[in-house]
Amino acid sequence: DAGITQSPRHKVTETGTPVTLRCHQTENHRYMYWYRQDPGHGLRLIHYSYGVKDTDKGEVSDGYSVSRSKTEDFLLTLESATSSQTSVYFCAISEGSGDTQYFGPGTRLTVL
Amino acid sequence: QQPVQSPQAVILREGEDAVINCSSSKALYSVHWYRQKHGEAPVFLMILLKGGEQKGHEKISASFNEKKQQSSLYLTASQLSYSGTYFCGTALVGSNYKLTFGKGTLLTVNP
Repeated sequence: DAGITQSPRHKVTETGTPVTLRCHQTENHRYMYWYRQDPGHGLRLIHYSYGVKDTDKGEVSDGYSVSRSKTEDFLLTLESATSSQTSVYFCAISEGSGDTQYFGPGTRLTVL
Repeated sequence: QQPVQSPQAVILREGEDAVINCSSSKALYSVHWYRQKHGEAPVFLMILLKGGEQKGHEKISASFNEKKQQSSLYLTASQLSYSGTYFCGTALVGSNYKLTFGKGTLLTVNP
């Protein structure tokens, strides 16, 4: 199994509060991704990173920001959480841009 | 641009075969197949690149029809462990290889 961890694994927060999710990898892969998974929508890309301090938007990036200051860590921040951001968030990594993506265990976020 | 998967759900008895399809309206560079069990992360099965190749993984194989922009996942002699939701992720030609996932196919294998 690829060495990917996510923290926290579960979080309940209130509308309007900031939330940061962390993805940590031990594989030294260049690419890292954040997806959200909701019933009826499948996996949707939020943001991705192709190197330290290099990030780009995915299809559902509104309301989210990311940062990558080290190869092994990719942070996802919800500046002001809303109920529509209740979801399961998965981090993924890949060696190259078109290579296999390996997923972390996920974080279940509930915004009340 | 989200690929369309069919069927949405399928129920099998152990030992039966199934085919799951993934179609795109635009030119594909690659198709990635994943299986996800309830409450777990998606697990990679295989990747197919344009060129119409077919790949196999134990009793699970897949094909990629470049002309139709369609991939099919074949599960033969299904086992109970095959149960889960199958997703295809597609990368369009010229998309910087970003994946867009289908909504999934729920496969249930019963004894």
